[in-house]
Amino acid sequence: QPVLTQPPSSSASPGESARLTCTLPSDINVGTYNIYWYQQKPGSPPRYLLYYYSDSDKGQGSGVPSRFSGSKDASANTGILLISGLQSEDEADYYCMIWPSNLGVFGGGTKLTVL
Amino acid sequence: QVQLQESGPGLVKPSGTLSLTCAVSGGSISSSNWWSWVRQPPGKGLEWIGEIYHSGSTNYNPSLKSRVTISVDKSKNQFSLKLSSVTAADTAVYYCARRGLNSREFDYWGQGTLVSVSS
Repeated sequence: QPVLTQPPSSSASPGESARLTCTLPSDINVGTYNIYWYQQKPGSPPRYLLYYYSDSDKGQGSGVPSRFSGSKDASANTGILLISGLQSEDEADYYCMIWPSNLGVFGGGTKLTVL
Repeated sequence: QVQLQESGPGLVKPSGTLSLTCAVSGGSISSSNWWSWVRQPPGKGLEWIGEIYHSGSTNYNPSLKSRVTISVDKSKNQFSLKLSSVTAADTAVYYCARRGLNSREFDYWGQGTLVSVSS
């Protein structure tokens, strides 16, 4: 079962951008997976944000603002969630997820603080 | 609007079996969707437990597979989770969730239910 590595915490100021990463183990190529991103606020279930495979194959969750976007850094074997124009309401935990062979795997999550 | 609602005992004794049900409303469990269970220990991250299709096909997390059974009851429009031989490490908020047949995102979630394992 692969382990997806996310930094435990990140912070940025309102109006700035936050770049959250999800690093796959070296034996799994990020280029072959859709990377799914979820947002979770305290006391609530996760909310689906988006998935990213490539610039031509990506999807946004219903009602999710376009300032949430995904990308990949193949050289670092990493999926990226970019949140631009940070707002106080973006303060939450963020989880990445992949599906290798009908197995759902979540990253450990990043707590984003909007200063 | 699809709604999912978990129900079941909030307290289970060690070595016992955790049993939860997820009632689906606003849609049919026989639609083209997979139905999943995800858990979250207090203060920790998410863990996918497994999923079922209305045909009865299942996929399980290998780390839990020996203890997990997910079943579907189409007559009641619900699906269920059984986790056997529980320990304190199984204490968590348990969520049910839906994903599409040909998509992998969980678009609908239940509110979650806390299950504690304690004597």
